[in-house]
Amino acid sequence: EAQVTQNPRYLITVTGKKLTVTCSQNMNHEYMSWYRQDPGLGLRQIYYSMNVEVTDKGDVPEGYKVSRKEKRNFPLILESPSPNQTSLYFCASSSGQGAGELFFGEGSRLTVL
Amino acid sequence: SQKIEQNSEALNIQEGKTATLTCNYTNYSPAYLQWYRQDPGRGPVFLLLIRENEKEKRKERLKVTFDTTLKQSLFHITASQPADSATYLCALDNNYGQNFVFGPGTRLSVLP
Repeated sequence: EAQVTQNPRYLITVTGKKLTVTCSQNMNHEYMSWYRQDPGLGLRQIYYSMNVEVTDKGDVPEGYKVSRKEKRNFPLILESPSPNQTSLYFCASSSGQGAGELFFGEGSRLTVL
Repeated sequence: SQKIEQNSEALNIQEGKTATLTCNYTNYSPAYLQWYRQDPGRGPVFLLLIRENEKEKRKERLKVTFDTTLKQSLFHITASQPADSATYLCALDNNYGQNFVFGPGTRLSVLP
């Protein structure tokens, strides 16, 4: 079954404690992306990757890091989380061929105290 | 500045009627526009895509129009059912598949 898998689905952490949200896709997609979703603000892109070792900033990259060492994985790293990073995070992938549809994971709800 | 608006935060309609959702954008020149459905606590799911040179696209009970002059897309669900209740998002491709920008969404409730 084609899918994008995120872990953890739910996480409560404290300010400053580094955390990583993993994302894996099994569709051999070249394009992967991270979004955060906040009430009233919609989905906003954090980072995206066009292929292995190719990443670029989206609209709200501050406080986040990513890496793309393998085609299937695209982890999101919060080096020093702050309360304003409390949000619902989605990973998405696409074939990357221009008009390709995005396939989303189920989301990771993060709370930073 | 660039902006995407969807007609209303919430829309209630009676079962069997046609739901019409609006997506307006300013200061974008998208090559295409997509519509997604999102259920509570779930990731968005792709529904339809329409290109800038297409006026209308259909898929079963769904219809999308795209007017690049008005900078607007309309999303119609005909013969609506309670199962169609969800949040619907429009998305523009801002950079040839690299930067998808989403609207805030419209929460549709179809009342039995």
